[in-house]
Amino acid sequence: AQKVTQAQTEISVVEKEDVTLDCVYETRDTTYYLFWYKQPPSGELVFLIRRNSFDEQNEISGRYSWNFQKSTSSFNFTITASQVVDSAVYFCALSEYNQGGKLIFGQGTELSVKP
Amino acid sequence: GAVVSQHPSRVICKSGTSVKIECRSLDFQATTMFWYRQFPKQSLMLMATSNEGSKATYEQGVEKDKFLINHASLTLSTLTVTSAHPEDSSFYICSARGGREETQYFGPGTRLLVL
Repeated sequence: AQKVTQAQTEISVVEKEDVTLDCVYETRDTTYYLFWYKQPPSGELVFLIRRNSFDEQNEISGRYSWNFQKSTSSFNFTITASQVVDSAVYFCALSEYNQGGKLIFGQGTELSVKP
Repeated sequence: GAVVSQHPSRVICKSGTSVKIECRSLDFQATTMFWYRQFPKQSLMLMATSNEGSKATYEQGVEKDKFLINHASLTLSTLTVTSAHPEDSSFYICSARGGREETQYFGPGTRLLVL
């Protein structure tokens, strides 16, 4: 069965600290996609990244970086030098090939960055 | 990135009335749209998947006569909450994806309050 676990419910850091949000997934499919979305207080989900199961390269985009490791079924997200504007709920999600694009979301991690 | 709009952003209605929520893809053709419901401090729960021109597929436990979904065109899907009751109060979010694209883009959400 497919499942996404974000064990950290809430994280609080002080501005400029680095922070890593954990995501562990379960799937029997060999072809799947992993996503991270950001949900600020306004409520809209903002797409951050998509990774397919055949691409284990880590990715960096500005202060954001993602570490995909199939060996541990993890897709962790690191924010470097966090800022107050990074405060939001972050969701990790899984989509299996041939499932019509259905997303399975983790429980979300609420990140609070204090000045 | 792709833009999805949702209207209205907020609605308050009396118990027993019906409410229609529109979801539009503004700059791409959405072959598939998804409707989610989110309770405070919780993750997104998929309600149904709709493909243009065909009947929606509802998730287990979601009443299709209660939540009517219509996907009449490649840019518009509507969710009608019929005979709304206070327990239907929630944050409803739609998402859309086009063609073979694996990424879902989300609308800003609709906050429904049923009195």
